[in-house]
Amino acid sequence: SQKIEQNSEALNIQEGKTATLTCNYTNYSPAYLQWYRQDPGRGPVFLLLIRENEKEKRKERLKVTFDTTLKQSLFHITASQPADSATYLCAPTSGTYKYIFGTGTRLKVLA
Amino acid sequence: NAGVTQTPKFQVLKTGQSMTLQCAQDMNHNSMYWYRQDPGMGLRLIYYSASEGTTDKGEVPNGYNVSRLNKREFSLRLESAAPSQTSVYFCASRESGGANVLTFGAGSRLTVL
Repeated sequence: SQKIEQNSEALNIQEGKTATLTCNYTNYSPAYLQWYRQDPGRGPVFLLLIRENEKEKRKERLKVTFDTTLKQSLFHITASQPADSATYLCAPTSGTYKYIFGTGTRLKVLA
Repeated sequence: NAGVTQTPKFQVLKTGQSMTLQCAQDMNHNSMYWYRQDPGMGLRLIYYSASEGTTDKGEVPNGYNVSRLNKREFSLRLESAAPSQTSVYFCASRESGGANVLTFGAGSRLTVL
């Protein structure tokens, strides 16, 4: 069955450093992969999408990579700020309507 | 635009009671989804509707029913609530074409005693 793994342990990082979050998937071949941010008590909010034929995507301080051979996506936040503290969810999507999410990684940026 | 609106925001039920969670979107999206979120479990897909008139099971459909009332509305019904259904429920809709991004509602917190 399809499996999506994100580091379930919280990631603590000092302000100004680069945070790197990992999303690994098995048993399917997504056409694209999405990253969402979720703040406590709120619904997830879309951040970035990367397609299978793209190696890297950037948006301001965010960068996503997608390695279909390793079946892995990395999500980077450069020059991290306390306001970046949240849970980040990945969703590798195979082009069908069925969107499955990873368990999410909680990021805490320390001032 | 309100986006995705869920009601109620909070609900407490007794075991065996029934209730319906309502979801409406005003973005003219074709597809709609219901997820539940439990600590340490992430978002788990309950049911989804690819388009008006169709519904499909997700990862954890047991104990739930859905109705796609029209293009705007997608409801989730618990016929006989159980404590294991205590959770936060999120509705989402998906834009048609383009990036196929999901837009989520604010969530409905359900407690079953």
